[in-house]
Amino acid sequence: TQLLEQSPQFLSIQEGENLTVYCNSSSVFSSLQWYRQEPGEGPVLLVTVVTGGEVKKLKRLTFQFGDARKDSSLHITAAQPGDTGLYLCAGAQGAQKLVFGQGTRLTINP
Amino acid sequence: GAGVSQSPRYKVAKRGQDVALRCDPISGHVSLFWYQQALGQGPEFLTYFQNEAQLDKSGLPSDRFFAERPEGSVSTLKIQRTQQEDSAVYLCASSRYTYEQYFGPGTRLTVT
Repeated sequence: TQLLEQSPQFLSIQEGENLTVYCNSSSVFSSLQWYRQEPGEGPVLLVTVVTGGEVKKLKRLTFQFGDARKDSSLHITAAQPGDTGLYLCAGAQGAQKLVFGQGTRLTINP
Repeated sequence: GAGVSQSPRYKVAKRGQDVALRCDPISGHVSLFWYQQALGQGPEFLTYFQNEAQLDKSGLPSDRFFAERPEGSVSTLKIQRTQQEDSAVYLCASSRYTYEQYFGPGTRLTVT
């Protein structure tokens, strides 16, 4: 079973600060997704990265896929309380199941 | 359009009881996945269907777990003789292109 390690597992910062969440593995993935999950809800897809070295931006969120397609990062600029939630990375090998990290629980304090 | 729906949203079962969890995928999505999410953890893969064919059931934890999708649309995850360790949120996801999966809200199963 491939493992995806997310760090940090918990992060609590003040509104307006920047942060980066990391997702690392020893395995190569054909694609990697980032999801956000609210309490009592299922994960919601934020972005998919496919090409090694790819960078995607979604408003204040920047996602990067490592050159070797083994790791990824999520950077949030000027965090807002609405960014609070559980962020999950998930790697796909081939066209089937996703392997998820354990998640990063982010709290943005006003 | 409508997203993935799951029912029931919450289920309390006594140990030893059988339960059935339902998933209605997004219309037109041929792939359907079941995941189990323990408290404070990321989801873990259980099984995968392409249309009505179950192509991967490697994540099912025991032979008490059974999933079906007889007409290639709605799917049911059945757990027989539930145990306390089965308590978790069961998530269903569907996709048209397999690497982008759209999740339902989940069913929270509590076994007492």
